[in-house]
Amino acid sequence: AQSVSQHNHHVILSEAASLELGCNYSYGGTVNLFWYVQYPGQHLQLLLKYFSGDPLVKGIKGFEAEFIKSKFSFNLRKPSVQWSDTAEYFCAVITYSGGYQKVTFGIGTKLQVIP
Amino acid sequence: EPEVTQTPSHQVTQMGQEVILRCVPISNHLYFYWYRQILGQKVEFLVSFYNNEISEKSEIFDDQFSVERPDGSNFTLKIRSTKLEDSAMYFCASRGGVSTDTQYFGPGTRLTVL
Repeated sequence: AQSVSQHNHHVILSEAASLELGCNYSYGGTVNLFWYVQYPGQHLQLLLKYFSGDPLVKGIKGFEAEFIKSKFSFNLRKPSVQWSDTAEYFCAVITYSGGYQKVTFGIGTKLQVIP
Repeated sequence: EPEVTQTPSHQVTQMGQEVILRCVPISNHLYFYWYRQILGQKVEFLVSFYNNEISEKSEIFDDQFSVERPDGSNFTLKIRSTKLEDSAMYFCASRGGVSTDTQYFGPGTRLTVL
């Protein structure tokens, strides 16, 4: 069965600091990888996704993530965070079985950006 | 941009009562999902639905849960006899017909069981 690990549960950064949130997955087959963001009081929104091709994926709001297959990792990065990036970030793995899609989420990382 | 909507945003109920959570998926989507997130825990898959039947369900989705697409637009999750541990945020998601399509999530319904 697939699983997703997010190593940092709560991260506090000052504005303009660089961000890297770790995500590792466990699955033997082909996976597609996503990062979702949940701003306070709002629903899950897609930040970026990796299906194939260039392992460095650029998403919205200056976020990017790098898929490293050998490390089973898909870490999220942003060079300079803003107060508005305060949110919870979820890494997710999508696997396919019989044509059906299954999403497995990590536990989430709460990011707090201090002005 | 089309979006998934859910009602109500917050539902408070007594233990043992039935609740129905409603979702309106994006109109041309074919696959529908329910997830839940207990406070402080990760988002967990409950069930997926395609072609008017359940395609997959997790161990959480026991006989107390059921899903239905009663008309062409709504997708509902029913909990027959709620328990305290059913208190959570419930998210609906939908996606298009291509296997690589992204799932789009609704804003969630916060269910509080007293």
